[in-house]
Amino acid sequence: EAQVTQNPRYLITVTGKKLTVTCSQNMNHEYMSWYRQDPGLGLRQIYYSMNVEVTDKGDVPEGYKVSRKEKRNFPLILESPSPNQTSLYFCASSLGTSGYSTDTQYFGPGTRLTVL
Amino acid sequence: AQSVTQPDIHITVSEGASLELRCNYSYGATPYLFWYVQSPGQGLQLLLKYFSGDTLVQGIKGFEAEFKRSQSSFNLRKPSVHWSDAAEYFCAVGENSGNTPLVFGKGTRLSVIA
Repeated sequence: EAQVTQNPRYLITVTGKKLTVTCSQNMNHEYMSWYRQDPGLGLRQIYYSMNVEVTDKGDVPEGYKVSRKEKRNFPLILESPSPNQTSLYFCASSLGTSGYSTDTQYFGPGTRLTVL
Repeated sequence: AQSVTQPDIHITVSEGASLELRCNYSYGATPYLFWYVQSPGQGLQLLLKYFSGDTLVQGIKGFEAEFKRSQSSFNLRKPSVHWSDAAEYFCAVGENSGNTPLVFGKGTRLSVIA
């Protein structure tokens, strides 16, 4: 089944404790991205990647890191989480061949992160 | 840069009633427009999209949307709402150059009452 998977789905952590949220897609998509969703703010893009070893900042990259060593995986890393990073996080992927903002994006189920 | 406005934060409709969710965009050229739906506890799923051609676009689950260039709008409609349509709906716009990220609106939450 074609899908985007994220792990963990739920995470409660404490300020400063490094964490990684994994994202994997099995559709051979070139383009992957991370969003955070906050009430009243909608979805805001954190980082995106157009292909392996190519990443770029989105609208709210501060406090996050990403890497794209393999086409299928795009982990989101919080080196020193803070309470303002408490949010619902979505990973998404798309073909990327006809344009990164014109292809249909496929979303993972989300990761709800709480930073105490 | 493009932007999207969804004027309604929350809408409540009765089951069986018609629905229209508003979306206004700002973009100089012809936009690529999308509607996504997020059911409770789930990720976003594409409902429909518009690139060119017929301005009335049909999507999944009985939804349709109409592109009106003169009004910079791409409103989502459904003639008869079902309780399972309760969800959050996001309008999004992309550039036809295709190399900049999609921009999402802030969403409209739809509640359906019996």
